[in-house]
Amino acid sequence: QKEVEQDPGPLSVPEGAIVSLNCTYSNSAFQYFMWYRQYSRKGPELLMYTYSSGNKEDGRFTAQVDKSSKYISLFIRDSQPSDSATYLCAMSDRGSTLGRLYFGRGTQLTVWP
Amino acid sequence: NAGVTQTPKFRVLKTGQSMTLLCAQDMNHEYMYWYRQDPGMGLRLIHYSVGEGTTAKGEVPDGYNVSRLKKQNFLLGLESAAPSQTSVYFCASKLRVRGGDNNEQFFGPGTRLTVL
Repeated sequence: QKEVEQDPGPLSVPEGAIVSLNCTYSNSAFQYFMWYRQYSRKGPELLMYTYSSGNKEDGRFTAQVDKSSKYISLFIRDSQPSDSATYLCAMSDRGSTLGRLYFGRGTQLTVWP
Repeated sequence: NAGVTQTPKFRVLKTGQSMTLLCAQDMNHEYMYWYRQDPGMGLRLIHYSVGEGTTAKGEVPDGYNVSRLKKQNFLLGLESAAPSQTSVYFCASKLRVRGGDNNEQFFGPGTRLTVL
């Protein structure tokens, strides 16, 4: 079993829909949770970064962390065709001097006009 | 700033050939990483380096070697390429921050390698 599980999709939604992306994990030491966005044939780029539990909002994007359930989510409101990409969750534990990240497999999202 | 750059962008090899992938970063980051990305597998760590002259194995190191002779460069070598090494290779770098409170890695654009 991988330390981080993510449904690869694909997920296809109409423009304006609310999108929910999720990951589960098994390592209770994880404290830092990230969402990376990867456009086709590009490198991943950091989209959201949260520490420990709670919510973080940035424009149309909201990241949620529920450490008791070992579950993280990314919500996209009013989705746009430009949001079409693969979304990767990533996490690491506190004090990891190596900065090693553990990635999910990525969820491929298509937003159609 | 160019950020993280990778050379070459594409390459086709025959089984048994060797090659070196070059990663360069101009952000003065201490940490650098090599990943491979395969369909349905996500990003898997091959090797990493926490500073000039130091390297260590990641999750899938077999068949690869690395060197970090200069802080800004991290090289990934394939001594004898195999079809199983067909993949997209990403390099990433990270600033070392005391306490480990900043774990953002910055990624390059990737190298698409096909081994026939």
